[in-house]
Order: sequence, then C-alpha cells, then structure tokens
Amino acid sequence: GQQLNQSPQSMFIQEGEDVSMNCTSSSIFNTWLWYKQDPGEGPVLLIALYKAGELTSNGRLTAQFGITRKDSFLNISASIPSDVGIYFCAGQTYSGSARQLTFGSGTQLTVLP
Amino acid sequence: DTAVSQTPKYLVTQMGNDKSIKCEQNLGHDTMYWYKQDSKKFLKIMFSYNNKELIINETVPNRFSPKSPDKAHLNLHINSLELGDSAVYFCASSQTRSPYEQYFGPGTRLTVT
Repeated sequence: GQQLNQSPQSMFIQEGEDVSMNCTSSSIFNTWLWYKQDPGEGPVLLIALYKAGELTSNGRLTAQFGITRKDSFLNISASIPSDVGIYFCAGQTYSGSARQLTFGSGTQLTVLP
Repeated sequence: DTAVSQTPKYLVTQMGNDKSIKCEQNLGHDTMYWYKQDSKKFLKIMFSYNNKELIINETVPNRFSPKSPDKAHLNLHINSLELGDSAVYFCASSQTRSPYEQYFGPGTRLTVT
C-alpha cells in the first residue's frame, strides 16, 4: 500500500527553539493532516490541509500542503515543554471505494528546558 | 463529557484467550474505526464502520471481529490471542462529510503473555 516517509524520526530541541518536520510520499494525496499524540493518549488532530499550496496556522503551528501534492511540512515556533509528543502526518488513501487515512511513522519531539 | 471512550484501558491476558474491547462515542458521528499501533508507534487502520455497516476491512486475521450494535458503539472481539497481537488499539470516529478529521479514544494497551 501507499506509504508516507516522515522525518526526522526524533528531535531533541531546547525550549524556545523552532521545529520543522516533513512528510513525503511517492503518490499524490488530496488531503494532508497533522496529528499529535501525547504519551498514553490517542492522536489529536492539529491541522487539516485540503488544497495544494495551502498554508494553515493553528497558534504556534503552521503546516503546508506541498504544491506537488506529494509532501507536507509542519513547523512549530517557540517550542514549549507541552509540545513534547509524537507528531504524525496522515494522508488520504482509498480502501476500495472507502476513503481512509494512512499515517506516517511519526516524529518524536523532546523539548529540553 | 468524554468524546470517544474505550474500555478497558489496559488488558493483560494469556495466549489462546478470547477478549473484547469496547468503544463508545458521544459526538454524534456516523463513522467509527479501529486502529492498531505497534511497538514502533506505527498506526494502521484495521476496520471502519459507517452507520453500522462495515466499509473498510484491511488485511487483518479473521480472529479479529468488529461489531457495531449502533452508530455510537464499535466493539472489537479477538479470538485465540497470539503474542503478536500485543499492541495499543485505538478507536476513532468521524463524520461522513469530514472523514479525515478523526477523533481518537485514549487507547487500549493489550499485552498477550
């Protein structure tokens, strides 16, 4: 099936630094999403992108839908301790005629005080 | 006021046993999902139900059987548990008109010994 390559796999940053992570695919996606998973919890939707080239912000988070529709990135500005967690990209794929999400492998973010 | 809830949170059992995980959502959504997250945090869809009808059934052993008694509930029954079934299982829900904006439950950590 389709796979998403997410990088980096993990990041260690100082509080206050900006962070950038990205996701690429060999296939075109019509929708890109970014989720965050806190330890012991389920993923929570951060940002949804529906159009190529779209740039969307949610507080300190900014995500873009690549113009080729094969990639997306997520930036976090001025990181804080509660940004710690796993960030997943996800793209729309199909199972038969049903739309479904395919998730990237995640980026584990650690914010050091 | 929990949106998507799962029970139990933790499940430890022996190989060969049969167990069930329950999921309920009070968001009024009409689509529900089961995902499996392995030890490397990779999230993969297993099943999806829309209005109690199975619409996605990925390559999952037939020891796994989902049941949706109504739109607000989706249970997962697992027969003859194997060591490789150990994982975190997440339930999620969404509206048909926004299938990618999924709300996840807190997860059930299944450990098979």
